[in-house]
Amino acid sequence: DVKVTQSSRYLVKRTGEKVFLECVQDMDHENMFWYRQDPGLGLRLIYFSYDVKMKEKGDIPEGYSVSREKKERFSLILESASTNQTSMYLCASRAPNYGYTFGSGTRLTVV
Amino acid sequence: KNEVEQSPQNLTAQEGEFITINCSYSVGISALHWLQQHPGGGIVSLFMLSSGKKKHGRLIATINIQEKHSSLHITASHPRDSAVYICAYGAGGTSYGKLTFGQGTILTVHP
Repeated sequence: DVKVTQSSRYLVKRTGEKVFLECVQDMDHENMFWYRQDPGLGLRLIYFSYDVKMKEKGDIPEGYSVSREKKERFSLILESASTNQTSMYLCASRAPNYGYTFGSGTRLTVV
Repeated sequence: KNEVEQSPQNLTAQEGEFITINCSYSVGISALHWLQQHPGGGIVSLFMLSSGKKKHGRLIATINIQEKHSSLHITASHPRDSAVYICAYGAGGTSYGKLTFGQGTILTVHP
């Protein structure tokens, strides 16, 4: 069965910390995505990547960066965590013309 | 105004009822996705469709491209169907599969 694995299910970090959220897929997909999900706002795209070392900003990239050094791994980085980045973070991948596979999510709390 | 409108926002049903969730969008799309999210869980892709109708078990998804409308039907609903159902579209072109999401419909099925 295909899988997208997010490294942490729950994470608590302090304001100002640098935070790394890791995502690994085993399907050889080119496209990978990071979304955040907030009550009343739904899912919003932070960044996506369409190939190794290639990345594009989504709708809400401010305060985030990403890294894709290998095809299977797409990392989301919070350069200096702030309380307004408390959220559920979801990673996803897909192959062209196919549906999405989502990870189980990381619930990040910044205190 | 959200580019993807779902209705209803909340839906309560008794076990065995036939359920319909509607999704309207305002732009040309390459594909329409229906996703399911259980409480505290990750997101599962149910359907990806660009025309007509698809069926998987008790779930049926339809799309009318001309009217920019899609529906998700659940026949013989069961309490395990209780979840948030999310409609999303992919715009195609150079979008690399980025999705624009609706707000979700919260479905509760009582035994």
